[in-house]
Amino acid sequence: AQSVSQHNHHVILSEAASLELGCNYSYGGTVNLFWYVQYPGQHLQLLLKYFSGDPLVKGIKGFEAEFIKSKFSFNLRKPSVQWSDTAEYFCAVNAYNQGGKLIFGQGTELSVKP
Amino acid sequence: DARVTQTPRDKVTEMGQEVTMRCQPILGHNTVFWYRQTMMQGLELLAYFRNRAPLDDSGMPKDRFSAEMPDATLATLKIQPSEPRDSAVYFCASGSDAPSEAFFGQGTRLTVV
Repeated sequence: AQSVSQHNHHVILSEAASLELGCNYSYGGTVNLFWYVQYPGQHLQLLLKYFSGDPLVKGIKGFEAEFIKSKFSFNLRKPSVQWSDTAEYFCAVNAYNQGGKLIFGQGTELSVKP
Repeated sequence: DARVTQTPRDKVTEMGQEVTMRCQPILGHNTVFWYRQTMMQGLELLAYFRNRAPLDDSGMPKDRFSAEMPDATLATLKIQPSEPRDSAVYFCASGSDAPSEAFFGQGTRLTVV
């Protein structure tokens, strides 16, 4: 079945550690890709998005993601995490051949220890 | 500051009662999504609309759930009758012509007892 997979369910890091969260999707054709963040008790907010062009995209709060088409991946990275990055992170895919559906992965909970 | 508005923010109801959740999309957006978030299932797409027409509601239990857009400024999600397993946070999101990013509302936390 077509899906969005996030490999890590819960990641625990110390402040200043580097972060990489994996995301793979199984939709063919042209896709738009997103990472959203959900802070505790809040709604989802857009971190960054890829529509076309440079496969390395930069978002807010020092996050970036790289689209690797051959691997169907869109991994999220941050060189040095802060305690305030503690949140849940969702990868999402909007596939042109899916009529505009925006499908989310299961989410990765990130806990950053001060 | 444009935002998606959902009401109510919290709802506690008894099993068997009808529940109606409302969403006001961002003005000018023509795509509306309804998602349900639970610990076990994560974010599930229940239904989505474009230009007020339902495009896909395959993620929604048809026997008890219904989603409508009476006009461009209002989307509704109804559950009748409600069951304890419907307890979740329901998010509405809106966007411009797809494919595009979605802007989320604050959600409705539903508890069915």
